[in-house]
Amino acid sequence: DTGVSQDPRHKITKRGQNVTFRCDPISEHNRLYWYRQTLGQGPEFLTYFQNEAQLEKSRLLSDRFSAERPKGSFSTLEIQRTEQGDSAMYLCASSPGQVNTGELFFGEGSRLTVL
Amino acid sequence: DAKTTQPNSMESNEEEPVHLPCNHSTISGTDYIHWYRQLPSQGPEYVIHGLTSNVNNRMASLAIAEDRKSSTLILHRATLRDAAVYYCILLNSGGYQKVTFGTGTKLQVIP
Repeated sequence: DTGVSQDPRHKITKRGQNVTFRCDPISEHNRLYWYRQTLGQGPEFLTYFQNEAQLEKSRLLSDRFSAERPKGSFSTLEIQRTEQGDSAMYLCASSPGQVNTGELFFGEGSRLTVL
Repeated sequence: DAKTTQPNSMESNEEEPVHLPCNHSTISGTDYIHWYRQLPSQGPEYVIHGLTSNVNNRMASLAIAEDRKSSTLILHRATLRDAAVYYCILLNSGGYQKVTFGTGTKLQVIP
C-alpha cells in the first residue's frame, strides 16, 4: 500500500452535470477527510469521517455535495448540478488516529474543471 | 479555532538554512503546532509537529517559543526540492479534528 489514492486525477465537465470522486485511504486508517483547494489558497475542510460515520460537515458543503464512506474504507464525494465555482482541487486525507499527535496523509487530489 | 499568521513568501539560497516563522498568539495549552508543506501539483505532506519542546526529525527542526505564541520551522540546508508552500496549523486534543489550513508561506529556493 503506497498511500492515499484518488480517482480520477482530472475531471472536466459541463455546468449542470454531476461528478463523483473516489478516495481510497491507507489501509486501516479509520479517519478520512475531504478538502477543497482553489488556486492560491490553502486547503479548506469539507467533511470528516470516523469509520463509516460522517462526524462533521463544513458549511462549504452545500446540499449539492454529498460524501459517503459506506463500509468505513473508501469514500466518495459527489457534486450534483456542478457550477463553475466548484472548479477546484478536491483532496482526500486519512489518518490512523487523532491528528493532533500524528499526521494526515494526503492523496494527490482530483482536479475539477467546470466549463 | 486558534489562528496562525505566516509571511506570504520567502526566498532562500540553495544549501543555506531557512527559518520559516509562524505566529499563533491565541494558542491554547492543548494545541499542538503542526507543519505541512505542499509541493506543486501535489497534496500536502506532513513535516513535523510539537507541543512545547523543540523537535527534530529527518526533514526539519521545529523551534517553539517559551510562551508558545510563535514557532519556527528550520530547514537546515535548503534544496530545490524544498520549494513549496509551508503551512503552520494548530491542532488540539479534542476527540476529532476539523483541520483548517491558511494560505501558508511560499518558499522559493534560488540555485
